[in-house]
Amino acid sequence: DAGVIQSPRHEVTEMGQEVTLRCKPISGHDYLFWYRQTMMRGLELLIYFNNNVPIDDSGMPEDRFSAKMPNASFSTLKIQPSEPRDSAVYFCASSYSGSSYEQYFGPGTRLTVT
Amino acid sequence: AQSVAQPEDQVNVAEGNPLTVKCTYSVSGNPYLFWYVQYPNRGLQFLLKYITGDNLVKGSYGFEAEFNKSQTSFHLKKPSALVSDSALYFCAVRAPYGNNRLAFGKGNQVVVIP
Repeated sequence: DAGVIQSPRHEVTEMGQEVTLRCKPISGHDYLFWYRQTMMRGLELLIYFNNNVPIDDSGMPEDRFSAKMPNASFSTLKIQPSEPRDSAVYFCASSYSGSSYEQYFGPGTRLTVT
Repeated sequence: AQSVAQPEDQVNVAEGNPLTVKCTYSVSGNPYLFWYVQYPNRGLQFLLKYITGDNLVKGSYGFEAEFNKSQTSFHLKKPSALVSDSALYFCAVRAPYGNNRLAFGKGNQVVVIP
């Protein structure tokens, strides 16, 4: 398997613009997670899905952030409008409930908002 | 809620010497414990896990970890460190029931000195 795939790998945008991050989980995995990593806050869980249904979005910082999972092989994280403080590395991870729930991470999207 | 503490910010070790990265956890019930490694500009990579059974768990790249229930610890060890082991190491814990969140520690930077 190709592992978790994220796109784009790098995104530079101006404040106020809409940003969409994409994720393809490992085939057969039924959980999908979105994380944000910064030097100040470390690794933060934003939201996670089980069988395409959002289970816990308590980590989503505010209404500017939204996430969807229209099918088992695709998820998006959208920021609208973006702000400089959203600059971070965003990771997607997936796991399978039939194993011991270890999560497998994608390579991340480095977002810079100017 | 589950949580992890990684008390040291940085661990410095000479190449060839034993490496230990410390982790203590807090969770209700028997824990699921994980170690991940992150190399620069990469996603987190799964190293090893403890779910049940032998307290000494062996993982990738010669790493192992020892589960100690009385001390609520899960320290990562490697008998002989390599320069290529220099990276950021994360400990994580999941409760045995309920939500599927992993609680990650803040990470430890390991520097192996040639």
